[in-house]
Amino acid sequence: DSGVTQTPKHLITATGQRVTLRCSPRSGDLSVYWYQQSLDQGLQFLIQYYNGEERAKGNILERFSAQQFPDLHSELNLSSLELGDSALYFCASSPGDSNQPQHFGDGTRLSIL
Amino acid sequence: ILNVEQSPQSLHVQEGDSTNFTCSFPSSNFYALHWYRWETAKSPEALFVMTLNGDEKKKGRISATLNTKEGYSYLYIKGSQPEDSATYLCAQGSGGGADGLTFGKGTHLIIQP
Repeated sequence: DSGVTQTPKHLITATGQRVTLRCSPRSGDLSVYWYQQSLDQGLQFLIQYYNGEERAKGNILERFSAQQFPDLHSELNLSSLELGDSALYFCASSPGDSNQPQHFGDGTRLSIL
Repeated sequence: ILNVEQSPQSLHVQEGDSTNFTCSFPSSNFYALHWYRWETAKSPEALFVMTLNGDEKKKGRISATLNTKEGYSYLYIKGSQPEDSATYLCAQGSGGGADGLTFGKGTHLIIQP
């Protein structure tokens, strides 16, 4: 158990819809990262938050947004969903030091019908 | 843009044999190199974070080395066991507080009894 909690585990929805994925980091970790794992791609970094502030952006689409709340949990919002957004979305957390390993949640599997 | 390559893509090894595989990364502006182990239906699990040229790290039968000048890292598994079957991912961190990792596509290791 990594200590990182992601909900829901599975999500099935239709094109054009909007969903919210939730992540609770390990106790004491200030950084939260979101990654996307598609069938034909490796793990792709989307966005990082540190102590409530956006720290870094990766390959995140404009239709996607995230935030980190005062209690340090984070939400990833995906809107105007397309078939290609079907993927496994991981949240990871770390203390915030770049030399520390990131601890991954179990992921949310998003299926767009 | 960081470009992390791993080889081979997949590897079949007999139980009891030792094996190794490679991660290549841009050597300029190096900050940190991470190794993760990812078992089917689980989340990636951190193995090592390496930052210094010549670093060697060990965890049980698994060890890793780092050459930042030429841009490669090796992961070694000694006396492979069936439970070592997994995908091994390496990732490069960009540092400067922006800690989103750039992952390679992994080496899929299958240990045959």
